[in-house]
Amino acid sequence: AQSVSQHNHHVILSEAASLELGCNYSYGGTVNLFWYVQYPGQHLQLLLKYFSGDPLVKGIKGFEAEFIKSKFSFNLRKPSVQWSDTAEYFCAVRTRGSNYKLTFGKGTLLTVNP
Amino acid sequence: DAGITQSPRHKVTETGTPVTLRCHQTENHRYMYWYRQDPGHGLRLIHYSYGVKDTDKGEVSDGYSVSRSKTEDFLLTLESATSSQTSVYFCAIRPADGTGELFFGEGSRLTVL
Repeated sequence: AQSVSQHNHHVILSEAASLELGCNYSYGGTVNLFWYVQYPGQHLQLLLKYFSGDPLVKGIKGFEAEFIKSKFSFNLRKPSVQWSDTAEYFCAVRTRGSNYKLTFGKGTLLTVNP
Repeated sequence: DAGITQSPRHKVTETGTPVTLRCHQTENHRYMYWYRQDPGHGLRLIHYSYGVKDTDKGEVSDGYSVSRSKTEDFLLTLESATSSQTSVYFCAIRPADGTGELFFGEGSRLTVL
């Protein structure tokens, strides 16, 4: 079965710092990749997704992610974080033939200090 | 707004009692999912449905059952709740015209004492 690893459990940054959150998956076939964000007390919202084509994908709120197939990675980046980016971030993978099930990583809590 | 309503939003119950959580959608999506979220575990799939009366197990299905007798409703039942089932439960749907992303409901927080 596929798995998703998010190596950073808790990241603490100051406003305007750059962000990179790691995500690696274990599956050798075709994948779709997603980053979701969960603001405190809220449900998950889609930040961005990779389906095919350009491996550099841009999402909402200035986030982007790069799919590197050779490294089985889909890292999330933002050049300058804001206090309002404080949230938990989840990477997820969907594999072909999985009935569209998503497998999630354990999440990375991002705290941005003003 | 993905048109998903979960009920109840909060519930406290005692060990051994049955509990049913309801997920209602307004847009006739075929695929529906139940996940649980726990600190340090992320989201884990409990059960999912790919049509009326068509359901299958996820990775943490023990102690849970589901039913889908109508397209719009997907019920998650804990036949005899245990403290390990204290969690936040999220329902999700997959739009047919999407590229595989799921849209999530607001969540149901269940506490089993």
